[in-house]
Amino acid sequence: QVQLQQWGAGLLKPSETLSLTCAVYGGSFSGYYWSWIRQSAEKGLEWIGEINHSGTTKYNPSLESRVSVDVDPSKNQFSLKLTSVTAADMGIYYCARRRLRSRGACFEYWGQGTVVTVSS
Amino acid sequence: DIQMTQSPSTLSASVGDRVTITCRANQTIGSWLAWYQQKPGKAPKLLMYKASILESGVSSRFSGSGSGTEFTLTISSLQPDDFATYHCQQYNSPMYTFGQGTKLEIK
Repeated sequence: QVQLQQWGAGLLKPSETLSLTCAVYGGSFSGYYWSWIRQSAEKGLEWIGEINHSGTTKYNPSLESRVSVDVDPSKNQFSLKLTSVTAADMGIYYCARRRLRSRGACFEYWGQGTVVTVSS
Repeated sequence: DIQMTQSPSTLSASVGDRVTITCRANQTIGSWLAWYQQKPGKAPKLLMYKASILESGVSSRFSGSGSGTEFTLTISSLQPDDFATYHCQQYNSPMYTFGQGTKLEIK
């Protein structure tokens, strides 16, 4: 059974950097892409970026200048950094495992979510 | 960017009803569409992928169809556990985009 467990600071001040980590338990770490997705009432679900076990990344162009996703295969973990946060970055952040395109390129396992609040 | 539009935004129905949710893309995406169910306070759960393939363990009351730009998710006989929000998601471009969600409410 695959489980994703995420953690990180959820209360930030404007201009600070959001840092979240996701640990993967069970299943293979290689052979998949590991994504970050956020959800807000205004924008719904929004894909942020992803990484594979060898460190190949892909980002949402609208966030690319502020986002970085890293991986630590030795710990089966991956992480998200989002710089210069504003109120527009508030929402619930999820980590997720994405299947390869041959099986639909969909998100089959999700973390529990982290509520992110930006307030001075 | 590929934009996904779901309709309706809210759907009121009763237990036992058959309901259909539509997802439209602003450009063709082949069959690269997935559907998710989300309940309050929980992460989305994968229901269907490649437009019409039922995810393992998901009830056969759920079915999906469509290709190109128009897709549907049908629930054949609503059960109390089905009242939730449903999201579509496309992958036919270098990034992934979701519909805005359809909230299925009890009438």
